[in-house]
Amino acid sequence: QSALTQPPSASGSPGQSVTISCTGTSSDVGGYNYVSWYQQHPGKAPKLMIYEVSKRPSGVPDRFSGSKSGNTASLTVSGLQAEDEADYYCSSYAGSNNVFGTGTKVTVL
Amino acid sequence: EVQLVESGGGLVQPGRSLRLSCAASGFTFDDYAMHWVRQAPGKGLEWVSGISWNSGSIGYADSVKGRFTISRDNAKNSLYLQMNSLRAEDMALYYCAKDMEVVVITYAFDIWGQGTMVTVSS
Repeated sequence: QSALTQPPSASGSPGQSVTISCTGTSSDVGGYNYVSWYQQHPGKAPKLMIYEVSKRPSGVPDRFSGSKSGNTASLTVSGLQAEDEADYYCSSYAGSNNVFGTGTKVTVL
Repeated sequence: EVQLVESGGGLVQPGRSLRLSCAASGFTFDDYAMHWVRQAPGKGLEWVSGISWNSGSIGYADSVKGRFTISRDNAKNSLYLQMNSLRAEDMALYYCAKDMEVVVITYAFDIWGQGTMVTVSS
């Protein structure tokens, strides 16, 4: 159950796009379409942004999108806004258990 | 309002036990799988354990297997985590989280509590 690999940081100016990668193995990301993404602001509980690779829960802006290719999933935030500055975590089903990514801090310049 | 409220955290010595509780409201509790997720201070998220709607399917992270036990009482709309043989590395904020889909376990956590802190120290 090793954590999924994410870049420690990513940044972009307001209005730009940022893409975060999440790399696992064929036993987790590559083997199932149960990849989720969470946004966490300091001192707050995580918030579900994407589930089942590319689906958005009700209320999540369509600026957030998800995809997957092989063992790597990606989250893209388009039209960056100041409130998007937060930590982002990917998560994947891994066969009777679950594994999170290492987390990426997104900074809006 | 859909809500999860954790309780039971606190300061405990290494090797001792603690039982966490999570009270659910605002949704049909016995329709959904439930999970515990923890976050050590300044660190990332770690899935700890999950339980299906009818307790028929249970899973644990390798780091807690054999020491922690998850359970639920659907009549009381409550989720529990019995933590035995606690270690310094178990110190974290423990979140209760609801699975997104009815009956099926998707490991997508759409509702989270605010967490209860567990401190393991002598």
